[in-house]
Amino acid sequence: EAQVTQNPRYLITVTGKKLTVTCSQNMNHEYMSWYRQDPGLGLRQIYYSMNVEVTDKGDVPEGYKVSRKEKRNFPLILESPSPNQTSLYFCASSSFKTGGLYEQYFGPGTRLTVT
Amino acid sequence: QQPVQSPQAVILREGEDAVINCSSSKALYSVHWYRQKHGEAPVFLMILLKGGEQMRHEKISASFNEKKQQSSLYLTASQLSYSGTYFCGTERVETSGSRLTFGEGTQLTVNP
Repeated sequence: EAQVTQNPRYLITVTGKKLTVTCSQNMNHEYMSWYRQDPGLGLRQIYYSMNVEVTDKGDVPEGYKVSRKEKRNFPLILESPSPNQTSLYFCASSSFKTGGLYEQYFGPGTRLTVT
Repeated sequence: QQPVQSPQAVILREGEDAVINCSSSKALYSVHWYRQKHGEAPVFLMILLKGGEQMRHEKISASFNEKKQQSSLYLTASQLSYSGTYFCGTERVETSGSRLTFGEGTQLTVNP
């Protein structure tokens, strides 16, 4: 089954404790990205990756890091989480060709609470 | 920069029609539309390309005016299952690659 998986699905942590949210896709997609969703603000892009070892900042990258060492995985790292990073996080992937991005497949989401 | 969606919310009775608009201040390569049910991930509806035709998904259709950098989503004869939040995503091609930026969403409620 074609899917994007995220782990963990729910996480409550404390300020400053480093954490990683994993994202994996089994569709051999080139393009992967991370979004955060907050009430009234829609989906805001954190980072995206066009392919292995190619990543770039989205609209709200501060406080986050990513890596793309393998095509299927795109982990989101919070080195020192703060309460303003409490949010619902989505990972997405898609194919990419000369004609642009194809349909985005979203993971189930990770609800993060930082106290 | 996020595209601007309007209206922010709309309430319909089953069978009524609605239009959701999406506009950007920057040149666009394509426009995506997604629907998100409460507690779920967004799900793809359709993509509109520059110079492309109007697209359709069941009784939902959309258009893309590339000169105005605007797209509209048309929901005809709405069904209860259409309830959810609709997001437009605008694709721009930059030196670093393609970026898909989503709007703030339009919450659609369809009542019996």
